[in-house]
Amino acid sequence: DAGVTQSPTHLIKTRGQQVTLRCSPKSGHDTVSWYQQALGQGPQFIFQYYEEEERQRGNFPDRFSGHQFPNYSSELNVNALLLGDSALYLCASSLGVNHEQYFGPGTRLTVT
Amino acid sequence: AQRVTQPEKLLSVFKGAPVELKCNYSYSGSPELFWYVQYSRQRLQLLLRHISRESIKGFTADLNKGETSFHLKKPFAQEEDSAMYYCALSGSGGSYIPTFGRGTSLIVHP
Repeated sequence: DAGVTQSPTHLIKTRGQQVTLRCSPKSGHDTVSWYQQALGQGPQFIFQYYEEEERQRGNFPDRFSGHQFPNYSSELNVNALLLGDSALYLCASSLGVNHEQYFGPGTRLTVT
Repeated sequence: AQRVTQPEKLLSVFKGAPVELKCNYSYSGSPELFWYVQYSRQRLQLLLRHISRESIKGFTADLNKGETSFHLKKPFAQEEDSAMYYCALSGSGGSYIPTFGRGTSLIVHP
């Protein structure tokens, strides 16, 4: 089991563009959470998906949206990119919403 | 609002010395506290949680509700303990959505 996988590893986008990040959960897990980690900061919770629905959401604008597929994988979409969206985006999976989360390696997004 | 404060960005010690990574929190209720660790080139992983009262890799952490602290301690640091450590808090009731501190980088010198 490769654990939680994320793609791409890193990417560079221009301000105003849109980006999609992908996450495959650990085998057997059905819940996916997304975090943003700015340089020098701890991860900040964006939202959590379970049963293909957004279950909880952190303090992020509507430009951040997501999706969960029937195979439990997930996408994070960010529209109208701002320079401040540059960060490491972490995906974490768990078995149910109230259990330990396992983190992926992250996707490094740079907005220029 | 819940908040986690890790006052030290960097903690540097020698092998065999005691280690204490500080964590203070703000939460109006009964929180659940965690320590996460990220070793170089590895992913973030849970180290320990206060409800389990475990000692993991020689580390312990005691929840002090009076001082609203959850400091991470180890009596004798090892070089392999060098990593980034994050204290995190989640609300009571089983929600595992943690609020993280900014992290403390621990460097253990030989």
